[in-house]
Amino acid sequence: QQQVKQSPQSLIVQKGGISIINCAYENTAFDYFPWYQHFPGKGPALLIAIRPDVSEKKEGRFTISFNKSAKQFSLHIMDSQPGDSATYFCAASVLGTYKYIFGTGTRLKVLA
Amino acid sequence: EPEVTQTPSHQVTQMGQEVILRCVPISNHLYFYWYRQILGQKVEFLVSFYNNEISEKSEIFDDQFSVERPDGSNFTLKIRSTKLEDSAMYFCASGLGGLSGELFFGEGSRLTVL
Repeated sequence: QQQVKQSPQSLIVQKGGISIINCAYENTAFDYFPWYQHFPGKGPALLIAIRPDVSEKKEGRFTISFNKSAKQFSLHIMDSQPGDSATYFCAASVLGTYKYIFGTGTRLKVLA
Repeated sequence: EPEVTQTPSHQVTQMGQEVILRCVPISNHLYFYWYRQILGQKVEFLVSFYNNEISEKSEIFDDQFSVERPDGSNFTLKIRSTKLEDSAMYFCASGLGGLSGELFFGEGSRLTVL
């Protein structure tokens, strides 16, 4: 019940295209869903996060879509750029605990 | 911009040896964490630390592991007798607390046990 399933494992997108990464969770107690962006040699950094009281959150080219009934959430990267090439992790937690359950990660490559 | 720093970036050790991984969290943060990522696998929670004591630990965090905040700035993870399966990237993280939710991660310490 603590798992977060993430797909796809890897993704190749043309520059300007849309990158979509999906996650699903099981524990209905989770109420905080962050996405982390991880470049090699750097620490994972928070990209965008959502709470289940909204169905969508947008920050620049990055959008989280959240489906509470299906227990799924996804990251959309619009107008994908080569600089977006990184590993993306979704996570789930109970807000305030900071105990993240991470997905397995998606390695995104955006072709120039 | 404040950041979490970790040392060493890479450590190679022999099985059975003790290892200490060090972290300097962001100065005004109150919550401290260790996560690890075995190569090719997901990032896993190890332990959380608040108010000078462990607040939660995972089943991975057995008696071979310990954490300490020996002074006002450092946060360490000690593995007493390393095993081959301890080879992983270890991430330190810190958080401000409350409902901010955001964890700030260090760059990681890669541990290789031979």
